[in-house]
Amino acid sequence: QSVLTQPPSVSAAPGQKVTISCSGSSSNIGSNSVSWYQQLPGTAPKLLIYENNKRPSGIPDRFSGSKSGTSATLGITGLQTGDEADYYCGTWNSGLGTGVFGGGTKVTVL
Amino acid sequence: EVQLLESGGGLVQPGGSLRLSCAASGFTFNNYAMSWVRQSPGKGLEWVSGISGGGGNIYNADSAKGRFTISRDNSKNTLYLQMNSLRVEDTAVYYCAKDREWLRVDLDVWGQGTTVTVSS
Repeated sequence: QSVLTQPPSVSAAPGQKVTISCSGSSSNIGSNSVSWYQQLPGTAPKLLIYENNKRPSGIPDRFSGSKSGTSATLGITGLQTGDEADYYCGTWNSGLGTGVFGGGTKVTVL
Repeated sequence: EVQLLESGGGLVQPGGSLRLSCAASGFTFNNYAMSWVRQSPGKGLEWVSGISGGGGNIYNADSAKGRFTISRDNSKNTLYLQMNSLRVEDTAVYYCAKDREWLRVDLDVWGQGTTVTVSS
């Protein structure tokens, strides 16, 4: 049972938009910034979003992040077959004194 | 090129020990906190342990407390994870990752991972 809650899966057709939610508490998302990771099959995770809504160099602006209260959201527009992957949110949990991740969301392009 | 390269994984019996290493290159190692993250087969990511750039501050997940020890040798640009009293449930791919900021989970560089299998 992950500290952060994500939907197990989302899907959409190519070119469409998907959003992935990440729900936490005042001890984690509510008091710390959120990051998002993409994990393609058989590879290490890759940072997509940090500090809630910032993209590292090289990450296309099809990927966006937002945070409100104790929840965060990752958006992917112009969905491509190459976007099929598992996506994870992560943040610091001040109450536990540990990092925490969501359980992951599998994105399927129909 | 910024790079992390893990080593030290393998097959170990329950109750045994392993030491994982993570060699860093392409950035000023002692300026950055580092973390270990693991992924059990077919499961999600689990944050295991983090250490500040100077090595003076350490945080551990409950699953690691009392059994795993994170450390770093800044003269060798290397991060370590000493794992003792290993359990079957510690079987996972272990990744080292570079933190953009201390006390955040902004892991901007990841290694390729090293596989630890705990089995009799």
